[in-house]
Amino acid sequence: GDSVTQMEGPVTLSEEAFLTINCTYTATGYPSLFWYVQYPGEGLQLLLKATKADDKGSNKGFEATYRKETTSFHLEKGSVQVSDSAVYFCALTHPNTGNQFYFGTGTSLTVIP
Amino acid sequence: DGGITQSPKYLFRKEGQNVTLSCEQNLNHDAMYWYRQDPGQGLRLIYYSQIVNDFQKGDIAEGYSVSREKKESFPLTVTSAQKNPTAFYLCASSSTRGAGYTFGSGTRLTVV
Repeated sequence: GDSVTQMEGPVTLSEEAFLTINCTYTATGYPSLFWYVQYPGEGLQLLLKATKADDKGSNKGFEATYRKETTSFHLEKGSVQVSDSAVYFCALTHPNTGNQFYFGTGTSLTVIP
Repeated sequence: DGGITQSPKYLFRKEGQNVTLSCEQNLNHDAMYWYRQDPGQGLRLIYYSQIVNDFQKGDIAEGYSVSREKKESFPLTVTSAQKNPTAFYLCASSSTRGAGYTFGSGTRLTVV
């Protein structure tokens, strides 16, 4: 079945460091891929998405490229800020699953000044 | 502004009691979902509903029940049969076009 695998955390970075959070997926066909962010005590917010191969999703300085050849959707940011501290979830949905989402286990990021 | 409202934000329950978590959306979304999140873990699907008056079990439905009498509302009841109900519960909705989920802000349930 469909699934998502994320790099395990926690990840701790200094402010202005480069961020990469790895995400790979298993799915038949062409799923849509998403990154969600969860701040402490809150629900998840959509960060970015990509719906077809080679698409690049971007938002708030974060980027991720849909790589079908490597079944990956790694999240990157060139210069992180303290306010980026949160838990990041990679997810996919597939038309054949009736829009049901499959989430990774989440990666906790802490950015220190 | 459209969105999803979960209430209450914090809920305490005594063992052996049923409790109902509210989820209301005004996004005109057809599909609604309930997830459970435990500390340091990902999201696990409890129940979902694609249309009014229809719902399906997710991966961990035992000890939970839902109803979908209106498009806007998808309440979750945590019954006394749920062995370990203390968790953070998230409700979400989506259009059927695969645009992504919109999440509520969650309800933290603690059994005392």
